[in-house]
Amino acid sequence: QVTLKESGPALVKPTQTLTLTCTFSGFSLNTSGMRVSWIRQPPGKALEWLARIDWDDDKFYGTSLKTRLTISKDTSKNQVVLTMTNMDPVDTATYYCARIRPYGGYYFDYWGQGTLVTVSS
Amino acid sequence: DIQMTQSPSTLSASVGDRVTITCRASQSISRWLAWYQQKPGKAPKLLIYTASNLENGVPSRFSGSGSGTEFTLTISSLQPDDFATYYCQQYNSYSPITFGPGTKVDIK
Repeated sequence: QVTLKESGPALVKPTQTLTLTCTFSGFSLNTSGMRVSWIRQPPGKALEWLARIDWDDDKFYGTSLKTRLTISKDTSKNQVVLTMTNMDPVDTATYYCARIRPYGGYYFDYWGQGTLVTVSS
Repeated sequence: DIQMTQSPSTLSASVGDRVTITCRASQSISRWLAWYQQKPGKAPKLLIYTASNLENGVPSRFSGSGSGTEFTLTISSLQPDDFATYYCQQYNSYSPITFGPGTKVDIK
């Protein structure tokens, strides 16, 4: 079955770079049509799409954060990595990775449990 | 980016009520809309995709409709498990993905 799990630091300091890893199983990012995204949710607020990487290594970023984000994949490890530079307290959020349904449109059929990242000195 | 709005922001209802949530897009997205349910401390769960297609395993009391810029999610008879926050998400392929601000359904 498909599973995803996020990992990374729970606490980062302002100006630091955040690196999050999504480790997944049940599918391969080598398979045509597979895509994985990162989405975040500040406490008590709405969801915000951050980035997407496709099986062919195409990469897409949300408009507001694109200058700070880098998404990459390691298909041998079934992992997708997101880096976010210059962290600020407003970036405190739960960060989710999610699979986009292959060939179904850009909606999310499986989600990780999320990882809470707090930005504080 | 395409802006999504939802109404109401909070909805108080009783078990057995028929509940309707509206989602509007700032420009036409055809039928490229999904609905998710989220409970506190949990990841969102896909309910509806392409405006009206029910995800496998989702109870048939959930339904979606609409096209263009206006969409609705309807719960025909609210159950205790349905008290949650609901988000719409547009996925027009020519624009970044965006979510609505959410509608919280709580107990009257």
